[in-house]
Amino acid sequence: KQEVTQIPAALSVPEGENLVLNCSFTDSAIYNLQWFRQDPGKGLTSLLLIQSSQREQTSGRLNASLDKSSGRSTLYIAASQPGDSATYLCAVQTGTASKLTFGTGTRLQVTL
Amino acid sequence: DTEVTQTPKHLVMGMTNKKSLKCEQHMGHRAMYWYKQKAKKPPELMFVYSYEKLSINESVPSRFSPECPNSSLLNLHLHALQPEDSALYLCASSQSTAFYNSPLHFGNGTRLTVT
Repeated sequence: KQEVTQIPAALSVPEGENLVLNCSFTDSAIYNLQWFRQDPGKGLTSLLLIQSSQREQTSGRLNASLDKSSGRSTLYIAASQPGDSATYLCAVQTGTASKLTFGTGTRLQVTL
Repeated sequence: DTEVTQTPKHLVMGMTNKKSLKCEQHMGHRAMYWYKQKAKKPPELMFVYSYEKLSINESVPSRFSPECPNSSLLNLHLHALQPEDSALYLCASSQSTAFYNSPLHFGNGTRLTVT
């Protein structure tokens, strides 16, 4: 059974700092890994999707990397802003039918 | 604004009520999903529809009954729920369950409270 873990569970940083969120998974037979953000009481917003054959993806200030063999992914956020405050979730797709297994999430707070 | 629309945003229902959650997308996606999310927990998959046919049921109790009347709409019919069913119910869609580079698009969810 696939298990996905995110460390740290919570993180507080001052505005402008660069930061890294970590995601690990137990079964390396994945099709892709996705990063989402969730604002309180809201749905999930897709940030980046890395296919199993890729090493990284970039979107603006976000960069996600994937090391499938070691079962790890990182989300790098450059020059953090208060608007980045949210819960960040990683999810891996294994098997068929786009079944995603979500991690436990990292709650990020960026302070002024 | 999200491209997946869920109604209602909030729902309070008694254990003997029958209600329905609705989800709509107009992105031409052929895969639609229901997830359940408890407070401070990650979303858990309930159902997957592929081309309007149920392809995954994650052993969800029969008091939850999904329906996909067409490629744009997804309903979740609720009957005789329990207080522990109170949660945020999220709908999502993707291009197809066969595309491994197709991210999921989520709605903002329905906050359900069972009294």
